[in-house]
Amino acid sequence: RKEVEQDPGPFNVPEGATVAFNCTYSNSASQSFFWYRQDCRKEPKLLMSVYSSGNEDGRFTAQLNRASQYISLLIRDSKLSDSATYLCVVNKGHDYKLSFGAGTTVTVRA
Amino acid sequence: NAGVMQNPRHLVRRRGQEARLRCSPMKGHSHVYWYRQLPEEGLKFMVYLQKENIIDESGMPKERFSAEFPKEGPSILRIQQVVRGDSAAYFCASSPRQGLDTGELFFGEGSRLTVL
Repeated sequence: RKEVEQDPGPFNVPEGATVAFNCTYSNSASQSFFWYRQDCRKEPKLLMSVYSSGNEDGRFTAQLNRASQYISLLIRDSKLSDSATYLCVVNKGHDYKLSFGAGTTVTVRA
Repeated sequence: NAGVMQNPRHLVRRRGQEARLRCSPMKGHSHVYWYRQLPEEGLKFMVYLQKENIIDESGMPKERFSAEFPKEGPSILRIQQVVRGDSAAYFCASSPRQGLDTGELFFGEGSRLTVL
């Protein structure tokens, strides 16, 4: 079983729509959770950390469910510039080894 | 540009040749990590180095792959006798210390290796 699993998508949504997707992780010892964004043929960049209480950063909301071992990302009022692949990333504490999911592709159309 | 610098950005090799990928960390960072991204897969940790030391190479294939981070100069990921399965994007990242306080790794733009 993969450490981090994501629905690859693609999620094709119109501008202004809300899109949400999950990822699941297998290691219950995982302590830190993140969403990274990767544009086509570019490097991954940190989008936001995911906290136990859930957190919001502008139009982006991340949730963590430790009991079911999944993380979610919701994007409200989608913009064309949100088109990217979103990588779910898990870490055991502050270890230097990050475990990446294969990504969920979101395409926002005009 | 004070970011992580990788070169070459694109590299084409024939089977059996050698590939050398270089990474200069961000200024002030002495910890370097190499990750590999195969098509349709997530990034996989390969190796963690500090200056002149390999700290963790648990993600490196046992043969043909090696990495170094000399006292002077960039970190080098070397792949000998490349095979088609080595075709991937190789990303380097750096941090100022071991352990990630914020979970943020600063990646370079990657080196895309194509093996013909």
